[in-house]
Amino acid sequence: QVQLVESGGGLVQPGKSLRLSCAASGFTFWTHAMHWVRQAPGKGLEWLAVISHDGSDEHYADSVKGRFTISRDNSKNTLVLQMRSLRPEDTALYHCVRGHESGDHFFGTWGQGTLVTVSS
Amino acid sequence: DIQMTQSPSSLSASLGDRVTIACRASESVDRYVNWYQQKVGKAPTLLIYAASSLERGVPSRFSGSGSGTYFTLTITDLQPGDFATYYCQQNIGLPLTFGGGTRVEI
Repeated sequence: QVQLVESGGGLVQPGKSLRLSCAASGFTFWTHAMHWVRQAPGKGLEWLAVISHDGSDEHYADSVKGRFTISRDNSKNTLVLQMRSLRPEDTALYHCVRGHESGDHFFGTWGQGTLVTVSS
Repeated sequence: DIQMTQSPSSLSASLGDRVTIACRASESVDRYVNWYQQKVGKAPTLLIYAASSLERGVPSRFSGSGSGTYFTLTITDLQPGDFATYYCQQNIGLPLTFGGGTRVEI
């Protein structure tokens, strides 16, 4: 059974950093592109970042470029989002998402998310 | 960036109804549009990819159509589990972008 479990969320002050992790299981992790997508409370979906199956290529949304870094460890089936210089508008539920079998840039399986709250 | 605009933002429907949700792209995305369903408190799930391909396990009551800049998601014979929010998403280019969502309620 394909499973994605996020962790690392919590309450953090503006300007601080936070590291989110996603543990993947039930599929061949190293063959899939992986994404982070977030959803602010009561709002819609916002794509943040993608990393290629082998970690050689990354792309970011403008809203997080230069502040967030996506990475993966294929030996540990783990996806990471390092977040720096956090802002109140980064408050959201952060989902780890697997690229679909038929295409890297749409979304097959979602984790349930980890909540990040940026507030003083 | 490609903007995806959904309409309506919400709609009321009854069991057994047929509903259609529209999604318009700010420039041509060919057929690189996907549709997701999100129930309250849950993560989204994929319904339709490549404009009209039904994801495995999704009932055939769901269908998608369109190309270029205009796309639709149609749900026939609305069932209780279909009351949810629906999002379109383009994947012709980065950044990937979503529509604002359409809430289907009773």
